[in-house]
Amino acid sequence: KNEVEQSPQNLTAQEGEFITINCSYSVGISALHWLQQHPGGGIVSLFMLSSGKKKHGRLIATINIQEKHSSLHITASHPRDSAVYICAVRSWTSGSRLTFGEGTQLTVNP
Amino acid sequence: EPEVTQTPSHQVTQMGQEVILRCVPISNHLYFYWYRQILGQKVEFLVSFYNNEISEKSEIFDDQFSVERPDGSNFTLKIRSTKLEDSAMYFCASSETAQYFGPGTRLTVT
Repeated sequence: KNEVEQSPQNLTAQEGEFITINCSYSVGISALHWLQQHPGGGIVSLFMLSSGKKKHGRLIATINIQEKHSSLHITASHPRDSAVYICAVRSWTSGSRLTFGEGTQLTVNP
Repeated sequence: EPEVTQTPSHQVTQMGQEVILRCVPISNHLYFYWYRQILGQKVEFLVSFYNNEISEKSEIFDDQFSVERPDGSNFTLKIRSTKLEDSAMYFCASSETAQYFGPGTRLTVT
């Protein structure tokens, strides 16, 4: 079983829809990252969370440490949001390295 | 805004050849990382570097791999004798707290 599981694997939405991507993990963590990977391959850091909620523009990330679960929400989705969204965790037992989920491929249609 | 840079963006090499991938981390960051992503797979940790030495490495990071910080700005990953299975996207990252990723180097071994 992977330490980091994301759902769904693939998500197709219409422009303007509210989107939720989920991440569950099985280890104790000191931080969780949400990352965005565009078709060219580059990775952009969106959020680093250790508790609660963070918001940046139309993106909101939440984490529930007790339930070992995080969600990434996109409000008023747009075709330019189409990308792979990746959850990655820094566990207490593995130093500063990140362990990655498989990613969620999001496609937003106009 | 400061960013992590990597060169080259794409490297093609023949099996058995040595390659050096270069990274310039963000200047005030103290922790440096290499990750790789084989096409279609999730991102995997290779090695972390702090205070001029390796702080952690994965089982992937065998004797064929080495890292160096030859001067105050560059951080390099060397693969001594490349194999076909080394073909992947290699990402450098640096951090103070959150990790910031470079655009990646696509390595193709033929």
